[in-house]
Amino acid sequence: QKEVEQDPGPLSVPEGAIVSLNCTYSNSAFQYFMWYRQYSRKGPELLMYTYSSGNKEDGRFTAQVDKSSKYISLFIRDSQPSDSATYLCAMSATSGAGSYQLTFGKGTKLSVIP
Amino acid sequence: IAGITQAPTSQILAAGRRMTLRCTQDMRHNAMYWYRQDLGLGLRLIHYSNTAGTTGKGEVPDGYSVSRANTDDFPLTLASAVPSQTSVYFCASSDDEGQPQHFGDGTRLSIL
Repeated sequence: QKEVEQDPGPLSVPEGAIVSLNCTYSNSAFQYFMWYRQYSRKGPELLMYTYSSGNKEDGRFTAQVDKSSKYISLFIRDSQPSDSATYLCAMSATSGAGSYQLTFGKGTKLSVIP
Repeated sequence: IAGITQAPTSQILAAGRRMTLRCTQDMRHNAMYWYRQDLGLGLRLIHYSNTAGTTGKGEVPDGYSVSRANTDDFPLTLASAVPSQTSVYFCASSDDEGQPQHFGDGTRLSIL
């Protein structure tokens, strides 16, 4: 079993739809959870960052972490064509050798159709 | 604008040649990383450095070497390039344990 599983899509939605992106993981030591957005021919850019369980909202974006289920989600409300990108989840543990390192999902490619 | 600068942005290289990819950050971050990104395989860590003067191996280190002489620079060297090293290479940095990593815009490398 991979440490982080993410449905690669592609996912295609109409403009204005609510988008739900998800990752599951197996390592119970993960405490820091991130979502990155990557546009074509660009580097990943940090979208959301959460520590431990709970929700975090930033404009049209909401990140949820459920540590009991080892499941994280990113919701995009009122999706726009400019949201079309690949979304990567990432997570890391708190301490120990290699604790600076992130474990990434493979990314979900999202297309928002006008 | 503060961030990560990678050079070159793209390169075509003959197999067997030596190549160094450059990475510079101006955020004074302690840790730096090199990844390769391949279709269907996602981002894979090649080498990392938790602080200047130290380096470590990631998931796919074979064929690559790094050095970290100072805080800002973290070059990646392919001693003798092979076609399987054709990929997009990303450099990243982070300030501290568990903190998010910030990425450059990558180097697209083709080995013929």
